[in-house]
Amino acid sequence: GESVGLHLPTLSVQEGDNSIINCAYSNSASDYFIWYKQESGKGPQFIIDIRSNMDKRQGQRVTVLLNKTVKHLSLQIAATQPGDSAVYFCAENSGGSNYKLTFGKGTLLTVNP
Amino acid sequence: DTAVSQTPKYLVTQMGNDKSIKCEQNLGHDTMYWYKQDSKKFLKIMFSYNNKELIINETVPNRFSPKSPDKAHLNLHINSLELGDSAVYFCASSQVTSGGLSEQFFGPGTRLTVL
Repeated sequence: GESVGLHLPTLSVQEGDNSIINCAYSNSASDYFIWYKQESGKGPQFIIDIRSNMDKRQGQRVTVLLNKTVKHLSLQIAATQPGDSAVYFCAENSGGSNYKLTFGKGTLLTVNP
Repeated sequence: DTAVSQTPKYLVTQMGNDKSIKCEQNLGHDTMYWYKQDSKKFLKIMFSYNNKELIINETVPNRFSPKSPDKAHLNLHINSLELGDSAVYFCASSQVTSGGLSEQFFGPGTRLTVL
């Protein structure tokens, strides 16, 4: 079946650097995408979302980029902090009456002080 | 003021037992979900209810039975527990709008260990 996957299972950055987490999706019908952050022992926490009619959306220190041509999603975190250390998931929804979110494998981000 | 709550947080039980996990949301959402997260952190949907009606039922053994007594609650009952059921189970909720699906809010998870 179609699925969402991540290029990098782990990412290690220095505090203050910018981080980029990538995600490839295969369902061209997907029209809604979300990035979640999951800290150890906690549930996934919403970071930012984007709909397919946009190619960029910015939040506080985070930016999501959507490239529908190559079916690629990325999360950019500016000035990465130790508190950003977590597993990051991308998720997609194929729209319509489909209530289902399909999650990617997750990327472990480690921020070194 | 917890948005999505689950009980218990930890559940340790013997193989063959029957157990339940409860979930409640106070966000006024109309859709609730159960996810299973395995040891490799892979998160997979199991069930979804919209206005108490089952709308998603992934390939889950029929030993798993969700029950939604009202829009704010979605419980998960598991019969004849097996070792492979050990995982973290997350409840989530969302509000489906005319614009489509929106973000899902997750509970803190229930870590189930089957011995």
